[in-house]
Amino acid sequence: QVQLQQSGTELVKPGSSLKLSCKASGYTFTDYAMQAVKQRPGQGLEWIGYILPWNGVTDYNQKFKGKATLTVDTSSNTAYMELSRLTSDDSAVYYCARSGYPLGYFDYWGQGVMVTVSS
Amino acid sequence: DIQMTQSPASLSASLGETVTIECRASEDIYNGLAWYQQKPGKSPQLLIYNANSLHTGVPSRFSGSGSGTQYSLKINSLQSEDVASYFCQQYYNYPNTFGAGTKLELK
Repeated sequence: QVQLQQSGTELVKPGSSLKLSCKASGYTFTDYAMQAVKQRPGQGLEWIGYILPWNGVTDYNQKFKGKATLTVDTSSNTAYMELSRLTSDDSAVYYCARSGYPLGYFDYWGQGVMVTVSS
Repeated sequence: DIQMTQSPASLSASLGETVTIECRASEDIYNGLAWYQQKPGKSPQLLIYNANSLHTGVPSRFSGSGSGTQYSLKINSLQSEDVASYFCQQYYNYPNTFGAGTKLELK
Protein backbone atom coordinates (compact mmCIF):
# COMPACT_ATOMS: atom_id res chain seq x y z
CA GLN A 1 0.00 0.00 0.00
CA VAL A 2 1.15 3.55 -0.72
CA GLN A 3 2.67 5.21 2.32
CA LEU A 4 4.35 8.57 2.82
CA GLN A 5 6.12 8.66 6.17
CA GLN A 6 7.13 12.10 7.36
CA SER A 7 9.63 13.10 10.02
CA GLY A 8 8.48 14.14 13.48
CA THR A 9 7.41 17.33 15.21
CA GLU A 10 9.92 20.18 15.15
CA LEU A 11 10.50 23.12 17.49
CA VAL A 12 12.98 25.59 16.03
CA LYS A 13 14.23 29.10 16.69
CA PRO A 14 13.48 32.11 14.51
CA GLY A 15 16.08 32.67 11.81
CA SER A 16 17.10 29.02 11.64
CA SER A 17 16.60 26.50 8.83
CA LEU A 18 14.96 23.11 8.88
CA LYS A 19 14.95 20.06 6.63
CA LEU A 20 11.89 17.80 6.65
CA SER A 21 11.78 14.34 5.15
CA CYS A 22 9.09 12.28 3.44
CA LYS A 23 9.87 8.59 2.80
CA ALA A 24 7.76 6.90 0.16
CA SER A 25 6.90 3.21 -0.03
CA GLY A 26 4.43 0.95 -1.80
CA TYR A 27 4.93 2.39 -5.27
CA THR A 28 7.66 3.30 -7.74
CA PHE A 29 9.02 6.56 -6.35
CA THR A 30 10.15 7.91 -9.71
CA ASP A 31 6.75 7.42 -11.37
CA TYR A 32 4.99 10.21 -9.48
CA ALA A 33 5.50 13.86 -8.60
CA MET A 34 5.89 14.80 -4.95
CA GLN A 35 4.03 17.84 -3.72
CA ALA A 36 4.39 19.96 -0.58
CA VAL A 37 1.50 21.69 1.19
CA LYS A 38 1.32 24.03 4.20
CA GLN A 39 -1.56 24.26 6.67
CA ARG A 40 -1.58 26.79 9.46
CA PRO A 41 -3.60 25.86 12.58
CA GLY A 42 -7.31 26.12 11.88
CA GLN A 43 -6.58 27.41 8.38
CA GLY A 44 -6.83 26.17 4.83
CA LEU A 45 -4.25 24.54 2.61
CA GLU A 46 -1.50 26.27 0.61
CA TRP A 47 0.45 24.62 -2.18
CA ILE A 48 4.19 25.13 -1.75
CA GLY A 49 5.62 23.36 -4.78
CA TYR A 50 6.47 20.07 -6.40
CA ILE A 51 9.49 18.00 -7.39
CA LEU A 52 9.71 15.36 -10.09
CA PRO A 53 11.83 12.56 -8.59
CA TRP A 54 12.94 11.16 -11.95
CA ASN A 55 14.79 14.32 -12.99
CA GLY A 56 14.79 16.66 -9.97
CA VAL A 57 12.79 19.37 -11.73
CA THR A 58 11.00 21.65 -9.29
CA ASP A 59 8.43 24.40 -9.40
CA TYR A 60 7.23 26.57 -6.56
CA ASN A 61 4.33 28.77 -5.62
CA GLN A 62 5.69 32.30 -6.01
CA LYS A 63 4.87 32.89 -2.35
CA PHE A 64 7.34 30.19 -1.27
CA LYS A 65 10.22 30.91 -3.62
CA GLY A 66 13.28 31.51 -1.46
CA LYS A 67 11.53 29.96 1.53
CA ALA A 68 11.24 26.30 0.51
CA THR A 69 13.62 24.04 -1.40
CA LEU A 70 12.57 20.56 -2.51
CA THR A 71 15.06 17.76 -3.18
CA VAL A 72 14.95 13.99 -3.49
CA ASP A 73 17.20 11.01 -2.82
CA THR A 74 16.07 8.29 -5.20
CA SER A 75 18.34 5.70 -3.54
CA SER A 76 16.20 5.90 -0.40
CA ASN A 77 12.87 6.94 -2.00
CA THR A 78 12.87 10.05 0.16
CA ALA A 79 11.84 13.61 -0.61
CA TYR A 80 13.10 16.53 1.43
CA MET A 81 11.90 20.07 1.98
CA GLU A 82 14.24 22.65 3.45
CA LEU A 83 12.67 25.74 4.98
CA SER A 84 14.96 28.70 5.50
CA ARG A 85 15.01 31.87 7.61
CA LEU A 86 12.14 30.64 9.71
CA THR A 87 9.69 33.07 11.33
CA SER A 88 6.51 32.62 13.33
CA ASP A 89 4.58 32.75 10.03
CA ASP A 90 6.21 29.43 9.14
CA SER A 91 4.66 27.69 12.16
CA ALA A 92 2.31 25.20 10.53
CA VAL A 93 1.76 21.58 9.59
CA TYR A 94 3.61 20.61 6.44
CA TYR A 95 2.46 17.73 4.26
CA CYS A 96 4.01 15.82 1.43
CA ALA A 97 1.58 14.37 -1.08
CA ARG A 98 1.82 12.29 -4.23
CA SER A 99 0.37 13.28 -7.58
CA GLY A 100 0.33 11.62 -10.97
CA TYR A 101 1.20 14.84 -12.74
CA PRO A 102 3.00 18.05 -11.74
CA LEU A 103 -0.36 19.80 -12.01
CA GLY A 104 -2.89 17.37 -10.62
CA TYR A 105 -4.80 16.09 -7.66
CA PHE A 106 -3.02 14.63 -4.65
CA ASP A 107 -4.01 10.99 -4.20
CA TYR A 108 -1.96 10.09 -1.10
CA TRP A 109 -0.70 12.30 1.70
CA GLY A 110 1.85 11.95 4.46
CA GLN A 111 0.71 12.27 8.06
CA GLY A 112 2.08 15.79 8.29
CA VAL A 113 4.77 17.33 10.46
CA MET A 114 4.06 20.12 12.91
CA VAL A 115 6.67 22.87 12.85
CA THR A 116 6.70 25.45 15.62
CA VAL A 117 8.98 28.46 15.32
CA SER A 118 9.58 30.02 18.70
CA SER A 119 12.42 31.51 20.71
CA ASP B 1 -4.12 32.93 -9.18
CA ILE B 2 -7.49 31.20 -9.45
CA GLN B 3 -9.59 31.91 -6.36
CA MET B 4 -11.74 29.12 -4.95
CA THR B 5 -14.74 30.25 -2.94
CA GLN B 6 -16.20 27.45 -0.86
CA SER B 7 -19.57 27.51 0.91
CA PRO B 8 -20.84 27.17 3.48
CA ALA B 9 -17.95 27.66 5.91
CA SER B 10 -19.69 25.40 8.40
CA LEU B 11 -22.62 23.06 8.27
CA SER B 12 -24.63 21.13 10.82
CA ALA B 13 -26.64 18.13 9.64
CA SER B 14 -28.39 15.06 11.04
CA LEU B 15 -27.50 11.42 10.50
CA GLY B 16 -29.06 10.13 7.29
CA GLU B 17 -29.40 13.60 5.81
CA THR B 18 -28.07 14.64 2.40
CA VAL B 19 -25.44 17.39 2.49
CA THR B 20 -24.13 19.56 -0.35
CA ILE B 21 -20.98 21.68 -0.32
CA GLU B 22 -20.27 24.17 -3.10
CA CYS B 23 -17.09 25.51 -4.63
CA ARG B 24 -16.92 28.38 -7.10
CA ALA B 25 -13.79 29.14 -9.13
CA SER B 26 -12.87 32.67 -10.24
CA GLU B 27 -12.53 31.37 -13.80
CA ASP B 28 -13.34 28.24 -15.78
CA ILE B 29 -11.28 25.31 -14.46
CA TYR B 30 -12.52 22.74 -16.96
CA ASN B 31 -13.28 20.05 -14.35
CA GLY B 32 -9.78 20.24 -12.87
CA LEU B 33 -11.22 19.95 -9.40
CA ALA B 34 -10.72 17.62 -6.44
CA TRP B 35 -12.43 17.25 -3.08
CA TYR B 36 -10.67 16.21 0.11
CA GLN B 37 -11.86 15.15 3.55
CA GLN B 38 -9.80 16.04 6.61
CA LYS B 39 -10.61 14.67 10.05
CA PRO B 40 -9.23 16.45 13.14
CA GLY B 41 -5.51 15.85 13.59
CA LYS B 42 -5.27 13.87 10.34
CA SER B 43 -4.05 14.59 6.84
CA PRO B 44 -6.46 15.32 3.98
CA GLN B 45 -7.76 12.31 2.08
CA LEU B 46 -8.79 12.42 -1.59
CA LEU B 47 -12.49 11.81 -2.20
CA ILE B 48 -13.20 13.03 -5.73
CA TYR B 49 -11.01 14.00 -8.68
CA ASN B 50 -11.74 15.43 -12.12
CA ALA B 51 -14.87 16.92 -10.56
CA ASN B 52 -16.88 13.69 -10.53
CA SER B 53 -14.60 10.62 -10.31
CA LEU B 54 -14.64 8.70 -7.04
CA HIS B 55 -11.20 7.84 -5.62
CA THR B 56 -10.47 4.19 -4.84
CA GLY B 57 -12.09 3.01 -1.62
CA VAL B 58 -14.30 6.07 -1.11
CA PRO B 59 -17.90 5.17 -0.21
CA SER B 60 -20.43 5.65 -2.98
CA ARG B 61 -22.49 8.04 -0.84
CA PHE B 62 -19.94 10.70 -1.86
CA SER B 63 -20.38 12.23 -5.29
CA GLY B 64 -19.11 15.24 -7.19
CA SER B 65 -20.63 17.29 -9.98
CA GLY B 66 -20.32 20.57 -11.78
CA SER B 67 -18.60 22.27 -14.67
CA GLY B 68 -17.10 25.59 -15.64
CA THR B 69 -16.77 27.61 -12.46
CA GLN B 70 -19.36 25.86 -10.26
CA TYR B 71 -18.80 22.53 -8.51
CA SER B 72 -20.38 20.63 -5.67
CA LEU B 73 -19.77 17.70 -3.36
CA LYS B 74 -22.78 15.74 -2.19
CA ILE B 75 -22.87 13.33 0.72
CA ASN B 76 -25.92 11.07 0.75
CA SER B 77 -27.18 9.47 3.95
CA LEU B 78 -24.74 11.23 6.29
CA GLN B 79 -22.82 8.93 8.63
CA SER B 80 -21.10 9.80 11.91
CA GLU B 81 -17.70 9.10 10.35
CA ASP B 82 -18.32 11.88 7.81
CA VAL B 83 -17.81 14.54 10.48
CA ALA B 84 -14.78 16.37 9.12
CA SER B 85 -13.63 19.39 7.17
CA TYR B 86 -13.92 19.30 3.40
CA PHE B 87 -11.73 21.21 0.94
CA CYS B 88 -11.90 21.72 -2.79
CA GLN B 89 -8.77 22.15 -4.92
CA GLN B 90 -8.37 23.38 -8.48
CA TYR B 91 -5.51 21.95 -10.50
CA TYR B 92 -6.37 23.42 -13.86
CA ASN B 93 -3.71 26.09 -13.58
CA TYR B 94 -0.70 27.04 -11.46
CA PRO B 95 -0.58 27.53 -8.63
CA ASN B 96 -2.89 24.83 -7.28
CA THR B 97 -5.36 26.61 -5.00
CA PHE B 98 -7.70 25.36 -2.34
CA GLY B 99 -11.02 26.49 -0.97
CA ALA B 100 -11.07 27.71 2.64
CA GLY B 101 -12.91 24.59 3.76
CA THR B 102 -16.29 23.52 5.12
CA LYS B 103 -16.55 22.14 8.64
CA LEU B 104 -19.29 19.52 8.83
CA GLU B 105 -20.76 18.68 12.23
CA LEU B 106 -23.62 16.53 13.44
CA LYS B 107 -26.79 18.21 14.57
